[in-house]
Amino acid sequence: DGGITQSPKYLFRKEGQNVTLSCEQNLNHDAMYWYRQDPGQGLRLIYYSQIVNDFQKGDIAEGYSVSREKKESFPLTVTSAQKNPTAFYLCATSPQVNTEAFFGQGTRLTVV
Amino acid sequence: GIQVEQSPPDLILQEGANSTLRCNFSDSVNNLQWFHQNPWGQLINLFYIPSGTKQNGRLSATTVATERYSLLYISSSQTTDSGVYFCAVGPYSSASKIIFGSGTRLSIRP
Repeated sequence: DGGITQSPKYLFRKEGQNVTLSCEQNLNHDAMYWYRQDPGQGLRLIYYSQIVNDFQKGDIAEGYSVSREKKESFPLTVTSAQKNPTAFYLCATSPQVNTEAFFGQGTRLTVV
Repeated sequence: GIQVEQSPPDLILQEGANSTLRCNFSDSVNNLQWFHQNPWGQLINLFYIPSGTKQNGRLSATTVATERYSLLYISSSQTTDSGVYFCAVGPYSSASKIIFGSGTRLSIRP
């Protein structure tokens, strides 16, 4: 089965805990992206990566961290420094920069 | 950075009606996509359309890059067309980014 897999679908965490969201792809795409969506809002870019071992901050990177050690994987860690982490998180990939992007099904994170 | 504005923010139509959604962007772009977000949050690719016109069934899109806008047309609307439609662009100034507009929420009534 091919595509982009985000896990878990739903995640609950206590305030002050770090949590890592998984994004795996078997499309052999170079570029990967993380977005955050709040209720009734658009998508905001957190981090993006053009190639392995390289990534750049997006528009709302504070309180988040990423790694890109493998082409297939781009995990996102939501740290305790993120003041309002409850949101819907979406991962996307594209073959290269400036090409069509495709999205995973998302992870809904709730921090209580 | 680039600004992406979508209009209208909300649209309510009867089944069978036609609609036009607009996306304006403030700077030159390398690429432009239209997505439909379903009630479960999944983003469905509709069109990859940096310029020109494309059609897929009842949907079509036109991008006029020199005038910095794109239009999404939906004809003979069905209730399953309901959801949020997003425009996303890749600006020339920051080639690796994909920036989203705030979306148009479309509600089709039976």
